Amino acid sequence: DAKTTQPPSMDCAEGRAANLPCNHSTISGNEYVYWYRQIHSQGPQYIIHGLKNNETNEMASLIITEDRKSSTLILPHATLRDTAVYYCIVRVAFRSGANNLFFGTGTRLTVIP
Amino acid sequence: DTAVSQTPKYLVTQMGNDKSIKCEQNLGHDTMYWYKQDSKKFLKIMFSYNNKELIINETVPNRFSPKSPDKAHLNLHINSLELGDSAVYFCASSPSRTGYNEQFFGPGTRLTVL
Repeated sequence: DAKTTQPPSMDCAEGRAANLPCNHSTISGNEYVYWYRQIHSQGPQYIIHGLKNNETNEMASLIITEDRKSSTLILPHATLRDTAVYYCIVRVAFRSGANNLFFGTGTRLTVIP
Repeated sequence: DTAVSQTPKYLVTQMGNDKSIKCEQNLGHDTMYWYKQDSKKFLKIMFSYNNKELIINETVPNRFSPKSPDKAHLNLHINSLELGDSAVYFCASSPSRTGYNEQFFGPGTRLTVL
């Protein structure tokens, strides 16, 4: 699976958009980009995933560059409850025998009142 | 209703003991997983089970053994506990073994070995 690089920490003002970047320059054509987050002392929570098109759901938007070497997770209106560690994960889908996720160090997002 | 549940939430035990952590999911998923998160917060896959078949076994000591009595349960047995086993253990499940399905995580079990 391709490696990812994320900034270790970011701050965001409450109510503003939080833009979390992720670099995955070695991503291959059949690898998806996943985002999970882990709020303190809780289990990781799925946010969104995508292949090459931009995606949006009730939690966030995922913007993937045309060359797919980087992506940005956007939380449109950050709240204090969005304070968490955000993990960007790249993995192959439909690979026989494995659906494991490899978590890196992630970005610690702090939403400031 | 809790989707993925784990018991106990906290487990404190002595070195050398044998302990088990239970996991149950009520989502009807086919695949379940165990992850370990160490003191540095790195989260690593340990095992996964699909329809009672072990399909992933990362480089985990054989003191750790997953046991799945049915599709809804994946318990983790640990023999001869060591200090280095202290960590938070997360159970997860997903609808299928392959594909891009999201994984649902339990609340975690904090294991402390004294």
